[in-house]
Amino acid sequence: DAGITQSPRHKVTETGTPVTLRCHQTENHRYMYWYRQDPGHGLRLIHYSYGVKDTDKGEVSDGYSVSRSKTEDFLLTLESATSSQTSVYFCAISGNSGNFFQFFGPGTRLTVL
Amino acid sequence: GIQVEQSPPDLILQEGANSTLRCNFSDSVNNLQWFHQNPWGQLINLFYIPSGTKQNGRLSATTVATERYSLLYISSSQTTDSGVYFCAVPNTGNQFYFGTGTSLTVIP
Repeated sequence: DAGITQSPRHKVTETGTPVTLRCHQTENHRYMYWYRQDPGHGLRLIHYSYGVKDTDKGEVSDGYSVSRSKTEDFLLTLESATSSQTSVYFCAISGNSGNFFQFFGPGTRLTVL
Repeated sequence: GIQVEQSPPDLILQEGANSTLRCNFSDSVNNLQWFHQNPWGQLINLFYIPSGTKQNGRLSATTVATERYSLLYISSSQTTDSGVYFCAVPNTGNQFYFGTGTSLTVIP
C-alpha cells in the first residue's frame, strides 16, 4: 500500500470553529487531492495540488482552503466549520508517471455539531 | 464537470455468481479508474484502464473510450467482494469525477 496517513482519523467539533486536517505521504508523489464523501454523492473533489505551493480548486471548494508547503504534506482547513461540512474526508495521491493512478488514505470522519 | 453514471446502484448476489457493473461518462477521457470501498471504508485500487481490457484474478475491466463507457466484471463472487464499487475519470485539468457507486452485497 502507498504510504499515506491522515490525521486526525476522527474529530468532533462545534459550528464556527476552525479545523485543519492533515495528509502525509512518504511516496514523493507530485499530486495530492482532498475529497469528501457523502451519502448519495460518491466522492467529490475539494482541492488538489500539483506541486509545492501549487493548488487548485475542485468541484466543492467553497468553505475550504488548502496549503502545501512540503511535498509530503497537504493540509485542508475549514476556516469556520458548518454542519454541512460533516463528512468523511479522504486524501489521495497520484504518481509522477502521467497515468494519475490514485491511492487513497484511510479517511477522516469529521462531525460538526 | 464530467458526468459519471454507474449502474446498477445496488446489487445482491449469491456467492459464486457473476456480475457486470457499468460506468458511463459524458466526455472524452484519457484515464479511468475503478475502486472498491470495503465495508470498513477503505478505498482500494482495482484498475487503471483508459481503454481496452485488463484482468486481475476474478476481476476484469473493459473500457470503450469512443463510446464513453467502462464495464467491471466480477466472476465467481465471494463475500469479500461486498462493498461499493466506484469509477472515476479526470478532466483535462486532472480534476477527478466519481460516480455514485454500485453497492454490492454477496450472500453466502
